[in-house]
Amino acid sequence: GNSVTQMEGPVTLSEEAFLTINCTYTATGYPSLFWYVQYPGEGLQLLLKATKADDKGSNKGFEATYRKETTSFHLEKGSVQVSDSAVYFCALRGTGSASKIIFGSGTRLSIRP
Amino acid sequence: GAGVSQSPRYKVAKRGQDVALRCDPISGHVSLFWYQQALGQGPEFLTYFQNEAQLDKSGLPSDRFFAERPEGSVSTLKIQRTQQEDSAVYLCASSSYGAGTGGNTIYFGEGSWLTVV
Repeated sequence: GNSVTQMEGPVTLSEEAFLTINCTYTATGYPSLFWYVQYPGEGLQLLLKATKADDKGSNKGFEATYRKETTSFHLEKGSVQVSDSAVYFCALRGTGSASKIIFGSGTRLSIRP
Repeated sequence: GAGVSQSPRYKVAKRGQDVALRCDPISGHVSLFWYQQALGQGPEFLTYFQNEAQLDKSGLPSDRFFAERPEGSVSTLKIQRTQQEDSAVYLCASSSYGAGTGGNTIYFGEGSWLTVV
């Protein structure tokens, strides 16, 4: 079945450092891929998405490219801020009747001032 | 409303007690999902509704868990005879399209935090 594997945390970086959180997936067909973020005490928010191969999702300085050849959707940001401290979830959603979202286990990111 | 609304936000139940968690999806959204998120884990799928029809309940962990959406809008997740392992955040989500449109956005509520003591 479909599954998502993401980089285990926690990840601690200094402000303005470069961020990469790895995510790979297993799926039949052509799923859509997502990154969700969960700030402390808040609900899940969609950060970005990509719906087909080679699409790049971007938002708030974060980017991720849908790579079908490597079945990956790594999250990157060039210069992180303290306010980016949160838990990040990679997720996929299949097509047809498999319309539920499947999440990875999450990566906790902490940014030091 | 403007977003997915869940109630109660926090619930403490004694072991063996029945609980009911309510979800108000975004107005007009066809699809509704329930997820369970244990501490430090990613959300795990429980069940899916398209309008009033429960199309997928493969994630419900036992027959103590029951969900309904009788009029295709508000949904209730009921847990009977709660156990300590039921302690988790229960997330409701909705989206505007039905099955087969995988790219459309799913919007999550803030969750109902259930603690069973």
